[in-house]
Amino acid sequence: RKEVEQDPGPFNVPEGATVAFNCTYSNSASQSFFWYRQDCRKEPKLLMSVYSSGNEDGRFTAQLNRASQYISLLIRDSKLSDSATYLCVVNRGPGGTSYGKLTFGQGTILTVHP
Amino acid sequence: SQTIHQWPATLVQPVGSPLSLECTVEGTSNPNLYWYRQAAGRGLQLLFYSVGIGQISSEVPQNLSASRPQDRQFILSSKKLLLSDSGFYLCAWTPARGEQFFGPGTRLTVL
Repeated sequence: RKEVEQDPGPFNVPEGATVAFNCTYSNSASQSFFWYRQDCRKEPKLLMSVYSSGNEDGRFTAQLNRASQYISLLIRDSKLSDSATYLCVVNRGPGGTSYGKLTFGQGTILTVHP
Repeated sequence: SQTIHQWPATLVQPVGSPLSLECTVEGTSNPNLYWYRQAAGRGLQLLFYSVGIGQISSEVPQNLSASRPQDRQFILSSKKLLLSDSGFYLCAWTPARGEQFFGPGTRLTVL
């Protein structure tokens, strides 16, 4: 089983649609969770951290279910500029040789069309 | 504010040639630094990380090496490039155990 698994997509949605991405992780010791966005041929950029209580940033909502080891990202009112690859990212756990290391999912491709 | 630089932005090298990629971070001290590679259509693979000057840990056996001669400088090297070394090389830093911030990357093509 991969450490972080995402549906690779692609997701093709019209402007204004709501789209949800899911991610599962295998390491129950993981403590930090993030969503990154990567545009074509660019570096990944942090979109948002994911907190246990769930958090929202404008049109973006992230949820975490520790019991199921499941993370989600919801994008409402999609814009053309939301087209990108979305990476689910999980830290490897506290202390020791895992300190500060992140594991990246393969990414989910989103295309928003007019 | 903190910024991270990488150069060169793109590089085309023949098989068997040496490699040196540089990463520098500004606006912070004693960051954890990381080198990743992203092969075409693939995810990010952690290659090396460093928690301080002269301290390098390798994640996977490979044809590459890393060095950290100064607090905010991280270098990725190879003595002889292989075709399989082609990819998008990303340097990242983190102030603590949280999120990582990436440089603009170096796109390497080995011919």
